[in-house]
Amino acid sequence: DTAVSQTPKYLVTQMGNDKSIKCEQNLGHDTMYWYKQDSKKFLKIMFSYNNKELIINETVPNRFSPKSPDKAHLNLHINSLELGDSAVYFCASSQAGTANNQPQHFGDGTRLSIL
Amino acid sequence: GENVEQHPSTLSVQEGDSAVIKCTYSDSASNYFPWYKQELGKGPQLIIDIRSNVGEKKDQRIAVTLNKTAKHFSLHITETQPEDSAVYFCAASTGGSQGNLIFGKGTKLSVKP
Repeated sequence: DTAVSQTPKYLVTQMGNDKSIKCEQNLGHDTMYWYKQDSKKFLKIMFSYNNKELIINETVPNRFSPKSPDKAHLNLHINSLELGDSAVYFCASSQAGTANNQPQHFGDGTRLSIL
Repeated sequence: GENVEQHPSTLSVQEGDSAVIKCTYSDSASNYFPWYKQELGKGPQLIIDIRSNVGEKKDQRIAVTLNKTAKHFSLHITETQPEDSAVYFCAASTGGSQGNLIFGKGTKLSVKP
């Protein structure tokens, strides 16, 4: 009964490959996010989606493409992986986006390691 | 844009002591200030939040204070326990459709038994 679940938990792959991370939330929220946490633990937002529409797109290379098939899912696809993409990626969700400043609930992360 | 500074980066206390973590923000339009606790191998977990119309909020051993004039807010943990050991993040948001959560760089709290 995990609220925000991500798969896989660990992802080890070669430079240049394409990979996807999946996220699902069962909280009934209408907004979902992707964050990147680097090796120094710094958390930075990458994207946010509200009702399947892109709301926030921070300065992220276009090799990263989020896809939201429905309100409960937000997947992250990464093309041509680079060494600098190694990080922990967190999915989060909230109700009513950030307009009303509702709490964001985070998944347990996907640790991506590029060889 | 918003910038959030968090201090200290590491904090070590004895069990039973209090711990205080401080954050400052730059955008006076920020109106929402959550605190997250991140344990090893886990995602950040919301522990308390405060909105700009409130100066202080308490939940058992945890309290947060907000000074909008000075643009700083603090997390206070009393009677610390070893299970409080984790990385704590503060964040700030202006809300609205483009309002991101901007995080501080985290404080690693160690509570020694």
